[in-house]
Amino acid sequence: SQTIHQWPATLVQPVGSPLSLECTVEGTSNPNLYWYRQAAGRGLQLLFYSVGIGQISSEVPQNLSASRPQDRQFILSSKKLLLSDSGFYLCAVNRDGNTEAFFGQGTRLTVV
Amino acid sequence: AQSVTQLDSQVPVFEEAPVELRCNYSSSVSVYLFWYVQYPNQGLQLLLKYLSGSTLVKGINGFEAEFNKSQTSFHLRKPSVHISDTAEYFCAVKSGGSYIPTFGRGTSLIVHP
Repeated sequence: SQTIHQWPATLVQPVGSPLSLECTVEGTSNPNLYWYRQAAGRGLQLLFYSVGIGQISSEVPQNLSASRPQDRQFILSSKKLLLSDSGFYLCAVNRDGNTEAFFGQGTRLTVV
Repeated sequence: AQSVTQLDSQVPVFEEAPVELRCNYSSSVSVYLFWYVQYPNQGLQLLLKYLSGSTLVKGINGFEAEFNKSQTSFHLRKPSVHISDTAEYFCAVKSGGSYIPTFGRGTSLIVHP
């Protein structure tokens, strides 16, 4: 079965600083990868998804970007964080032909 | 396009009482349906899923859900809740032709002693 690693678990960053969150997957190959954000009291917002190396689709315009340099690595970045970037970021994975998505443990980002 | 509506943002209930968390979906094609649970500061964990076959689906922790195609619903139920069931619950739908599951906004289940 697959394992999803997300780090760091928590992060406090000043406004205007850069961001890099990493997600790696074990136990599967050619996964579909997703970044979701969960703001306080709100549901899950899909930010990016990727169906292959170097293939990134953005669901909402924003201050963030994503990259997939390797098959099982998905990175969420920002050059300059905004206060509104605070939230709980979740990486998820599923496979073509499979159904449910599996989630990492998340990163709590607080921009101060 | 697919969408999910969770009708209740918060459901308070006493321990050992039954509970139902409501979920309605819309999709123009056949769907797969899911319920996830999220404990504080953790990722989402799959509770149960409907793919095909029997419309009554049993999951972990004593939860079950019933797929009702005519009402486009997939409500989650548990006959007797515990304090430990306090968590956020998300309903999700994935159409057969889509990579991406769509999530509802979540329902916070609060179990009181």
